[in-house]
Amino acid sequence: DAKTTQPPSMDCAEGRAANLPCNHSTISGNEYVYWYRQIHSQGPQYIIHGLKNNETNEMASLIITEDRKSSTLILPHATLRDTAVYYCIVSTGYALNFGKGTSLLVTP
Amino acid sequence: GAVVSQHPSWVICKSGTSVKIECRSLDFQATTMFWYRQFPKQSLMLMATSNEGSKATYEQGVEKDKFLINHASLTLSTLTVTSAHPEDSSFYICSALPLSWTSGTYNEQFFGPGTRLTVL
Repeated sequence: DAKTTQPPSMDCAEGRAANLPCNHSTISGNEYVYWYRQIHSQGPQYIIHGLKNNETNEMASLIITEDRKSSTLILPHATLRDTAVYYCIVSTGYALNFGKGTSLLVTP
Repeated sequence: GAVVSQHPSWVICKSGTSVKIECRSLDFQATTMFWYRQFPKQSLMLMATSNEGSKATYEQGVEKDKFLINHASLTLSTLTVTSAHPEDSSFYICSALPLSWTSGTYNEQFFGPGTRLTVL
């Protein structure tokens, strides 16, 4: 699976949009971009995934660049409960290899 | 959504004892289950892949004789930490891949809530 690079930490004010970037320059054609998050001492929670097109669900939006070498997860209106470690994973859908992720802190 | 449970949620044991952790898919059948380990302030590290009815595949550096995995049914996988020592203290998390998994298509894995193991 391709490797991903994410900033180690980010801050976001409550109510504002949180934009979490991810670089995956070695992604191959059949690999999806997955985003999971992990709230302290819990199992990872699925957020969203995409292959080529931008995606949106009730939790977030995923913007994938045309060359697929990077993506951005957008939480449109961050709340305190969105404080977590966010993992960007590139995979064919079998094993998920978690990198270090981005620790997002949402502040009041 | 699909639910994966783990039991126990936390366990404290003495050094040298064995501990069994169960991972169950509650409302779906899972061809494959994965076991992860997470040390404090670190990311999840894949330990092994468990396939129903066959031997588990272990990641490099993971001792298969120490971490015994059994996937006897399509809804249950167990991880047994044998002769546990303090360095085995960690957060163990499983995930399950539904039976409908198809290579090359999107597949959502479902994660359990984790089991915190403390070895004294």
